[in-house]
Amino acid sequence: DAKTTQPNSMESNEEEPVHLPCNHSTISGTDYIHWYRQLPSQGPEYVIHGLTSNVNNRMASLAIAEDRKSSTLILHRATLRDAAVYYCILRGLGGATNKLIFGTGTLLAVQP
Amino acid sequence: NAGVTQTPKFRVLKTGQSMTLLCAQDMNHEYMYWYRQDPGMGLRLIHYSVGEGTTAKGEVPDGYNVSRLKKQNFLLGLESAAPSQTSVYFCASSKLNPPNTEAFFGQGTRLTVV
Repeated sequence: DAKTTQPNSMESNEEEPVHLPCNHSTISGTDYIHWYRQLPSQGPEYVIHGLTSNVNNRMASLAIAEDRKSSTLILHRATLRDAAVYYCILRGLGGATNKLIFGTGTLLAVQP
Repeated sequence: NAGVTQTPKFRVLKTGQSMTLLCAQDMNHEYMYWYRQDPGMGLRLIHYSVGEGTTAKGEVPDGYNVSRLKKQNFLLGLESAAPSQTSVYFCASSKLNPPNTEAFFGQGTRLTVV
């Protein structure tokens, strides 16, 4: 399984943008980049995913490097509710590579 | 729309006892997963299923068995519980084909083995 590398922790101030990086230098051409987050005492929840182009949704934006070896999850205005562990995961097209393998993620702290 | 429902939410077992955790999804998803999460760590995949009647081992399958007799249910069994299996267990489900491969997670089952 292709691996991802994320910083253990990051801090942000409320209402400021947050850029969460992820390195995935061994990504294959058909791997999708997924981001999930886990709020305290809850199950993970889907945030966003992409393949090659940058993606936006109501929760966040995903910026993917041209060589696809790294990506950045962007929270445009952090709120206290965004304090969570953020996981960057690679997911293949099907079969055994379609399973979700979590790393340790990035613990995001948001200061008021 | 219930999504993914896990039963029970909490359980305390004595060493050597057995139990079954139930995961039910109402989204007609092909894929289902069982994870465990120990304090301060990420989720580790125990077993998964790519469809009714099929199961496969994940990263940490020892001490667990699973069954997927119905598409909507995925059962995780502990035949002889050990203290090392004290953890929070999460179930998830997803469709088979990208790009719609968003996975939905349950709220977890907190299991303590004493």
